[in-house]
Amino acid sequence: GQNIDQPTEMTATEGAIVQINCTYQTSGFNGLFWYQQHAGEAPTFLSYNVLDGLEEKGRFSSFLSRSKGYSYLLLKELQMKDSASYLCAVQRTDKLIFGTGTRLQVFP
Amino acid sequence: NAGVTQTPKFRVLKTGQSMTLLCAQDMNHEYMYWYRQDPGMGLRLIHYSVGEGTTAKGEVPDGYNVSRLKKQNFLLGLESAAPSQTSVYFCASSSLSGTSYNEQFFGPGTRLTVL
Repeated sequence: GQNIDQPTEMTATEGAIVQINCTYQTSGFNGLFWYQQHAGEAPTFLSYNVLDGLEEKGRFSSFLSRSKGYSYLLLKELQMKDSASYLCAVQRTDKLIFGTGTRLQVFP
Repeated sequence: NAGVTQTPKFRVLKTGQSMTLLCAQDMNHEYMYWYRQDPGMGLRLIHYSVGEGTTAKGEVPDGYNVSRLKKQNFLLGLESAAPSQTSVYFCASSSLSGTSYNEQFFGPGTRLTVL
C-alpha cells in the first residue's frame, strides 16, 4: 500500500481538545490534506499543509513535519457536530492517496 | 453552481450486469477522479483524468473503464458487475494540479450493490 497510517477510532468529550495523527512515506510528497466526512456524506476539505509548521483555521489546526513524515489535526472546543471521520491524504503529483480515516466520536 | 453531481444516487445490480455512473462538474475543473470507499479501506482511486480526452489508472482500476469526452463529465463504467464491486463511489474534481494547492471537491456519492 501507500503506508498512510492514522488511528481507526478515537473518542473525546464535548469541549475538549483532540489530536489525530497521520504518518506517511515521504517519497513523492507534494502536500498533505485533511478532509472531514460525516456518515453517509461526501468528504469536505479542512486543511492543507505543504511546508513544515502549523496552519490554524478557527477551531481546527493542522501541523506538518516533512522530514518525519508526520502530520496531526488538532480540534479544539469540541462540539457534538465534530463527530465524523477525518481523512488524511498525501498529494503525489496528480493524485491524492488517502489513509483509512479516523472515526471520532464526541460525547456530551 | 451545483458543484459536483453524481447520477444515480443508488443502484442495485445483478452479477454480470453493466452500468455507467455519471459525474458532472460546473466549476471548469481540469482534473476529475473516481474513488470507491469500502469499510476499513478508506478512499481508493479507481481512475482519473487530467483533461478532456485523457484518462489514467489509479490504485484499483480492474473491472472499470472511464471516459472523459467532455471537460465537465467523467463517466465510470462497469462492464460485468461483480459482488466485489459493491461499494460507495465518489467522484471528485479539482483545478490544475502538480505541485500547487488543488483541493478536490467531492460529489454526494453513488451507493452500488451487486447481488
